[in-house]
Amino acid sequence: DAKTTQPNSMESNEEEPVHLPCNHSTISGTDYIHWYRQLPSQGPEYVIHGLTSNVNNRMASLAIAEDRKSSTLILHRATLRDAAVYYCILIYNTDKLIFGTGTRLQVFP
Amino acid sequence: NAGVTQTPKFRILKIGQSMTLQCTQDMNHNYMYWYRQDPGMGLKLIYYSVGAGITDKGEVPNGYNVSRSTTEDFPLRLELAAPSQTSVYFCASNRGRTGELFFGEGSRLTVL
Repeated sequence: DAKTTQPNSMESNEEEPVHLPCNHSTISGTDYIHWYRQLPSQGPEYVIHGLTSNVNNRMASLAIAEDRKSSTLILHRATLRDAAVYYCILIYNTDKLIFGTGTRLQVFP
Repeated sequence: NAGVTQTPKFRILKIGQSMTLQCTQDMNHNYMYWYRQDPGMGLKLIYYSVGAGITDKGEVPNGYNVSRSTTEDFPLRLELAAPSQTSVYFCASNRGRTGELFFGEGSRLTVL
Protein backbone atom coordinates (compact mmCIF):
# COMPACT_ATOMS: atom_id res chain seq x y z
CA ASP A 1 0.00 0.00 0.00
CA ALA A 2 1.30 3.44 -0.86
CA LYS A 3 2.17 5.38 2.27
CA THR A 4 2.77 8.99 3.15
CA THR A 5 5.20 10.49 5.62
CA GLN A 6 4.54 13.77 7.41
CA PRO A 7 6.23 15.57 10.29
CA ASN A 8 4.47 14.98 13.60
CA SER A 9 4.06 18.66 14.38
CA MET A 10 4.71 22.15 13.09
CA GLU A 11 4.28 25.64 14.49
CA SER A 12 3.41 28.95 12.95
CA ASN A 13 2.52 32.47 13.95
CA GLU A 14 -0.73 34.05 12.92
CA GLU A 15 -0.81 35.67 9.47
CA GLU A 16 2.37 33.92 8.40
CA PRO A 17 2.43 31.38 5.55
CA VAL A 18 2.64 27.72 6.48
CA HIS A 19 4.16 24.99 4.32
CA LEU A 20 3.14 21.48 5.36
CA PRO A 21 5.23 18.79 3.63
CA CYS A 22 4.26 15.25 2.66
CA ASN A 23 6.49 12.55 1.22
CA HIS A 24 4.96 9.81 -0.90
CA SER A 25 7.91 8.18 -2.64
CA THR A 26 5.95 5.06 -3.69
CA ILE A 27 3.18 6.97 -5.42
CA SER A 28 1.92 5.46 -8.66
CA GLY A 29 0.93 7.31 -11.80
CA THR A 30 -2.78 7.20 -11.10
CA ASP A 31 -2.71 8.11 -7.40
CA TYR A 32 -4.41 11.33 -6.41
CA ILE A 33 -2.98 13.33 -3.51
CA HIS A 34 -5.61 14.47 -1.03
CA TRP A 35 -5.30 16.70 2.01
CA TYR A 36 -7.72 16.78 4.90
CA ARG A 37 -7.68 18.51 8.24
CA GLN A 38 -9.26 17.66 11.54
CA LEU A 39 -10.16 20.40 13.96
CA PRO A 40 -10.37 19.46 17.66
CA SER A 41 -13.37 17.24 18.44
CA GLN A 42 -14.57 17.25 14.84
CA GLY A 43 -14.51 14.90 11.89
CA PRO A 44 -11.94 15.45 9.15
CA GLU A 45 -12.77 17.94 6.43
CA TYR A 46 -11.54 18.13 2.87
CA VAL A 47 -8.92 20.77 2.07
CA ILE A 48 -7.63 20.16 -1.44
CA HIS A 49 -6.51 17.46 -3.87
CA GLY A 50 -4.50 17.11 -7.05
CA LEU A 51 -2.89 14.71 -9.47
CA THR A 52 0.07 16.36 -11.22
CA SER A 53 -0.40 20.10 -11.43
CA ASN A 54 -0.40 22.61 -8.61
CA VAL A 55 -3.89 23.41 -7.35
CA ASN A 56 -5.43 26.41 -5.62
CA ASN A 57 -8.72 26.88 -3.83
CA ARG A 58 -10.13 29.28 -1.28
CA MET A 59 -8.62 27.35 1.62
CA ALA A 60 -5.12 26.53 0.45
CA SER A 61 -2.70 25.72 -2.36
CA LEU A 62 -1.19 22.35 -3.19
CA ALA A 63 2.26 22.22 -4.71
CA ILE A 64 3.19 18.85 -6.23
CA ALA A 65 6.80 18.01 -7.03
CA GLU A 66 7.61 17.27 -10.64
CA ASP A 67 8.39 13.62 -9.85
CA ARG A 68 5.25 13.49 -7.63
CA LYS A 69 7.20 11.92 -4.78
CA SER A 70 6.33 14.79 -2.48
CA SER A 71 3.80 17.56 -2.09
CA THR A 72 3.31 20.64 0.06
CA LEU A 73 0.11 22.11 1.42
CA ILE A 74 0.39 25.88 1.63
CA LEU A 75 -1.75 27.98 3.93
CA HIS A 76 -1.07 31.50 2.76
CA ARG A 77 -1.92 33.30 6.00
CA ALA A 78 -2.39 31.11 9.02
CA THR A 79 -5.16 31.96 11.46
CA LEU A 80 -5.89 30.53 14.89
CA ARG A 81 -8.75 28.57 13.28
CA ASP A 82 -6.21 26.71 11.13
CA ALA A 83 -4.83 24.91 14.19
CA ALA A 84 -5.62 21.29 13.40
CA VAL A 85 -4.16 17.93 12.39
CA TYR A 86 -3.47 17.87 8.65
CA TYR A 87 -3.52 14.57 6.81
CA CYS A 88 -1.99 13.84 3.43
CA ILE A 89 -3.36 10.67 1.82
CA LEU A 90 -3.06 8.89 -1.48
CA ILE A 91 -6.02 7.40 -3.25
CA TYR A 92 -4.90 4.37 -5.21
CA ASN A 93 -6.30 1.52 -7.15
CA THR A 94 -7.40 -0.68 -4.26
CA ASP A 95 -9.98 1.96 -3.30
CA LYS A 96 -8.76 1.99 0.29
CA LEU A 97 -8.25 5.40 1.81
CA ILE A 98 -5.52 4.96 4.39
CA PHE A 99 -4.76 7.90 6.67
CA GLY A 100 -1.34 8.37 8.20
CA THR A 101 -0.68 10.05 11.54
CA GLY A 102 -0.81 13.57 10.12
CA THR A 103 0.87 16.82 11.16
CA ARG A 104 -0.41 18.71 14.16
CA LEU A 105 -0.23 22.42 13.34
CA GLN A 106 -0.08 24.91 16.18
CA VAL A 107 -0.75 28.56 15.41
CA PHE A 108 0.37 31.23 17.85
CA PRO A 109 -1.13 34.70 18.10
CA ASN B 1 -28.50 17.90 1.62
CA ALA B 2 -27.75 16.55 5.08
CA GLY B 3 -24.49 14.97 3.88
CA VAL B 4 -23.29 12.04 6.00
CA THR B 5 -25.38 11.35 9.09
CA GLN B 6 -24.24 9.08 11.91
CA THR B 7 -26.26 7.78 14.83
CA PRO B 8 -25.93 7.54 17.74
CA LYS B 9 -23.51 10.34 18.64
CA PHE B 10 -22.68 8.79 22.00
CA ARG B 11 -23.10 5.30 23.41
CA ILE B 12 -21.88 3.35 26.41
CA LEU B 13 -21.78 -0.43 26.10
CA LYS B 14 -21.01 -3.17 28.55
CA ILE B 15 -18.43 -5.80 27.64
CA GLY B 16 -20.03 -8.49 25.50
CA GLN B 17 -22.94 -6.39 24.29
CA SER B 18 -23.59 -5.79 20.60
CA MET B 19 -24.74 -2.73 18.73
CA THR B 20 -24.98 -1.16 15.29
CA LEU B 21 -23.66 2.23 14.33
CA GLN B 22 -25.78 3.73 11.60
CA CYS B 23 -24.45 5.76 8.67
CA THR B 24 -26.57 7.33 5.95
CA GLN B 25 -25.58 9.62 3.10
CA ASP B 26 -27.92 11.50 0.77
CA MET B 27 -25.39 12.41 -1.94
CA ASN B 28 -25.79 9.22 -4.00
CA HIS B 29 -22.16 8.33 -3.35
CA ASN B 30 -21.00 4.87 -4.33
CA TYR B 31 -18.03 4.73 -1.97
CA MET B 32 -18.46 4.57 1.80
CA TYR B 33 -15.97 4.00 4.62
CA TRP B 34 -15.83 3.37 8.34
CA TYR B 35 -12.88 4.64 10.39
CA ARG B 36 -12.06 4.52 14.06
CA GLN B 37 -9.95 7.05 15.90
CA ASP B 38 -8.47 6.28 19.29
CA PRO B 39 -7.60 9.21 21.60
CA GLY B 40 -4.68 11.24 20.25
CA MET B 41 -4.24 8.93 17.28
CA GLY B 42 -4.95 9.00 13.56
CA LEU B 43 -7.77 7.32 11.68
CA LYS B 44 -7.77 3.61 11.01
CA LEU B 45 -9.87 2.14 8.20
CA ILE B 46 -12.21 -0.62 9.41
CA TYR B 47 -14.29 -1.49 6.35
CA TYR B 48 -15.20 0.12 3.09
CA SER B 49 -17.69 -0.35 0.27
CA VAL B 50 -17.52 0.58 -3.40
CA GLY B 51 -21.22 0.11 -4.01
CA ALA B 52 -24.37 -1.63 -2.85
CA GLY B 53 -23.70 -5.29 -2.14
CA ILE B 54 -19.90 -4.89 -2.13
CA THR B 55 -17.81 -4.54 1.03
CA ASP B 56 -14.17 -5.16 1.87
CA LYS B 57 -11.88 -5.14 4.88
CA GLY B 58 -9.68 -2.24 5.81
CA GLU B 59 -6.76 -2.11 8.23
CA VAL B 60 -8.57 -3.14 11.44
CA PRO B 61 -11.68 -5.21 10.63
CA ASN B 62 -11.57 -7.70 13.52
CA GLY B 63 -14.59 -7.47 15.82
CA TYR B 64 -16.72 -5.62 13.28
CA ASN B 65 -19.11 -6.43 10.46
CA VAL B 66 -20.73 -4.31 7.78
CA SER B 67 -23.41 -4.59 5.14
CA ARG B 68 -24.37 -2.41 2.20
CA SER B 69 -27.86 -3.27 1.02
CA THR B 70 -28.57 0.22 -0.37
CA THR B 71 -26.47 3.04 -1.78
CA GLU B 72 -27.45 5.31 1.10
CA ASP B 73 -26.78 3.13 4.15
CA PHE B 74 -23.62 1.53 5.50
CA PRO B 75 -24.16 0.24 9.05
CA LEU B 76 -21.27 -0.98 11.21
CA ARG B 77 -22.02 -3.85 13.57
CA LEU B 78 -20.02 -4.52 16.74
CA GLU B 79 -20.42 -8.02 18.07
CA LEU B 80 -19.29 -8.87 21.61
CA ALA B 81 -18.00 -5.40 22.48
CA ALA B 82 -14.57 -5.19 24.13
CA PRO B 83 -12.83 -2.28 25.92
CA SER B 84 -10.38 -2.12 23.00
CA GLN B 85 -13.27 -0.94 20.83
CA THR B 86 -13.64 2.25 22.85
CA SER B 87 -13.08 4.89 20.21
CA VAL B 88 -14.65 7.55 18.03
CA TYR B 89 -16.08 6.12 14.84
CA PHE B 90 -16.34 8.12 11.65
CA CYS B 91 -18.29 7.27 8.54
CA ALA B 92 -17.32 8.85 5.23
CA SER B 93 -18.38 8.76 1.61
CA ASN B 94 -17.27 9.95 -1.80
CA ARG B 95 -18.59 9.81 -5.33
CA GLY B 96 -15.65 7.97 -6.82
CA ARG B 97 -12.29 6.81 -5.63
CA THR B 98 -10.62 10.13 -6.41
CA GLY B 99 -13.34 12.42 -5.14
CA GLU B 100 -13.61 14.57 -2.06
CA LEU B 101 -14.37 12.60 1.10
CA PHE B 102 -17.30 13.75 3.20
CA PHE B 103 -17.26 12.75 6.88
CA GLY B 104 -19.98 12.40 9.44
CA GLU B 105 -19.72 14.05 12.85
CA GLY B 106 -18.61 10.85 14.53
CA SER B 107 -20.00 8.38 17.08
CA ARG B 108 -18.23 8.19 20.42
CA LEU B 109 -18.38 4.67 21.83
CA THR B 110 -17.25 3.63 25.29
CA VAL B 111 -17.09 -0.02 26.32
CA LEU B 112 -16.95 -0.65 30.07
